[in-house]
Amino acid sequence: QKEVEQNSGPLSVPEGAIASLNCTYSDRVSQSFFWYRQYSGKSPELIMSIYSNGDKEDGRFTAQLNKASQYVSLLIRDSQPSDSATYLCAVNWGFGNEKLTFGTGTRLTIIP
Amino acid sequence: EPEVTQTPSHQVTQMGQEVILRCVPISNHLYFYWYRQILGQKVEFLVSFYNNEISEKSEIFDDQFSVERPDGSNFTLKIRSTKLEDSAMYFCASTLDRYSYEQYFGPGTRLTVT
Repeated sequence: QKEVEQNSGPLSVPEGAIASLNCTYSDRVSQSFFWYRQYSGKSPELIMSIYSNGDKEDGRFTAQLNKASQYVSLLIRDSQPSDSATYLCAVNWGFGNEKLTFGTGTRLTIIP
Repeated sequence: EPEVTQTPSHQVTQMGQEVILRCVPISNHLYFYWYRQILGQKVEFLVSFYNNEISEKSEIFDDQFSVERPDGSNFTLKIRSTKLEDSAMYFCASTLDRYSYEQYFGPGTRLTVT
């Protein structure tokens, strides 16, 4: 059974600080990794994708992937109250298996 | 910016009734998906659909469920005889092709079975 694990939180971060969200996954040969943001009662919104080891930056967001450690993280710099949401880690296991497997999500609260 | 749309936003039905949830994927996307999220739980894959046939389905997607692309734009999920445990948010998603992997989600349909 392929699993995606996240700390459910809640994670509280002061406004302007860096929020760090972590995710581990069970299958070493996984191909693609995604971070989605989900506001309460809303649908998942894709914010980052990462496919190769290392860092990928997009604005205030940085995704980090370490396939050897089976670990992917999301850093949010200069956190804003509007970043308060649940962040979902999702994995595509690859090799023609197109579905996404989601973690339970980490609830992030930015404190003004 | 193109979006996935879903109707209705909320559906209330009685146990044993049939429901059809509708989705319009992003127009040039080729792969379509249904996921569900029971309140307080994780997003779960139900089914993927490509080239007018099911590509993969989960164990949740039993004989009570079916999917269809009745025309060039709509993608539907039918639940034949709803159960109380089918109450959840149902999300449609689409992706450009099997190699892009980035799936874009619609706003969801909240299904309440009473």
